[in-house]
Amino acid sequence: DADVTQTPRNRITKTGKRIMLECSQTKGHDRMYWYRQDPGLGLRLIYYSFDVKDINKGEISDGYSVSRQAQAKFSLSLESAIPNQTALYFCATGTAGTDTQYFGPGTRLTVL
Amino acid sequence: AQSVTQLDSHVSVSEGTPVLLRCNYSSSYSPSLFWYVQHPNKGLQLLLKYTSAATLVKGINGFEAEFKKSETSFHLTKPSAHMSDAAEYFCVVSGFKAAGNKLTFGGGTRVLVKP
Repeated sequence: DADVTQTPRNRITKTGKRIMLECSQTKGHDRMYWYRQDPGLGLRLIYYSFDVKDINKGEISDGYSVSRQAQAKFSLSLESAIPNQTALYFCATGTAGTDTQYFGPGTRLTVL
Repeated sequence: AQSVTQLDSHVSVSEGTPVLLRCNYSSSYSPSLFWYVQHPNKGLQLLLKYTSAATLVKGINGFEAEFKKSETSFHLTKPSAHMSDAAEYFCVVSGFKAAGNKLTFGGGTRVLVKP
């Protein structure tokens, strides 16, 4: 969905490097989410934010941090990347009025 | 707590034949249920959503799913597969509204469509 964009789309980095993944949305939604996808495990929630001042940990937040710079922007950081953080990362948006979420195209991250 | 189990990690069908993707869920309350599709190198697209209005839910591209509370199932079907249906499909349950409607995903079913 072009309304939710993620940058970069692909990234290869080395163990120990800091990396930031960015998500922007033009849907006007107040809620934003970060997931990672691993084969056979579906998507798992890393962090979520209901508004700029409300950020919450998901089920697998260790090793990650986030920043909600504005209603439309939600960034995910890996302070010191490790190989088992190699995955496909998705950003999603939603609103308080519905539980439907809208996903970005994903960022494929490889940590060597 | 809630969980989702997709009973088949891979399904192979011939073009023009029916598709059945099986999903069982566990939830402490009446959940919303979704099916999302992910085409290769693409994001996730919503196929359909169940919210208790009707047990048979029609989605996009000819897919439909039936909610069966007694069986805690939400299987996805399509009468006639098309080559463009080759993708990975995720069954998803939404959490309790007060907990932020967090989504729980099944492990996914990868569909192969043979000509």
